[in-house]
Amino acid sequence: DAKTTQPNSMESNEEEPVHLPCNHSTISGTDYIHWYRQLPSQGPEYVIHGLTSNVNNRMASLAIAEDRKSSTLILHRATLRDAAVYYCILRPLTQGGSEKLVFGKGMKLTVNP
Amino acid sequence: DAGVIQSPRHEVTEMGQEVTLRCKPISGHDYLFWYRQTMMRGLELLIYFNNNVPIDDSGMPEDRFSAKMPNASFSTLKIQPSEPRDSAVYFCASSRARLAGGPEYFGPGTRLTVL
Repeated sequence: DAKTTQPNSMESNEEEPVHLPCNHSTISGTDYIHWYRQLPSQGPEYVIHGLTSNVNNRMASLAIAEDRKSSTLILHRATLRDAAVYYCILRPLTQGGSEKLVFGKGMKLTVNP
Repeated sequence: DAGVIQSPRHEVTEMGQEVTLRCKPISGHDYLFWYRQTMMRGLELLIYFNNNVPIDDSGMPEDRFSAKMPNASFSTLKIQPSEPRDSAVYFCASSRARLAGGPEYFGPGTRLTVL
């Protein structure tokens, strides 16, 4: 499985933007970049995913480098509820559909009031 | 949508007992996944199904673990006999098959404690 590298942890302040980096230098052409997060005592929650172009949704934005070897999850205005472990995952796409997710250790985001 | 439903939410049992965890996926989803999460090993995929058929069970730790999906709206994960090292939070997730590699939706988990 292609690997991702994230910092172990980050801190941010409430109501400020947060940029969460992820390196994936061995990404292949059919790997989608997925982001999930896990709030304390909850199951993982889908955040966003993309292939080559930047993506936006109501939760976050995903900026993908031109060479696709890194990406950044952007929370435009952090809230206390965004404090969670964030996982950056590469998901290979097979002919029959999408392959399984392989979760790494993730990155713990702390949001200070 | 009610989301993915798991039961029980908490289970405490003694070593050697049989444990059955249950999952109801989101209606219309073609894939169902079972994960286990521990502090030591993080979040691990145990097995996943596509259209009720097991596709990859390489993550199932040993023969004591078995999973079934008798129909599109129900799946079980059984541990027999249970051991203290099986203590973990077990998550079920489901997703709709589509080429874009769509998201998985996770249930709230079952916290299993084996004494």
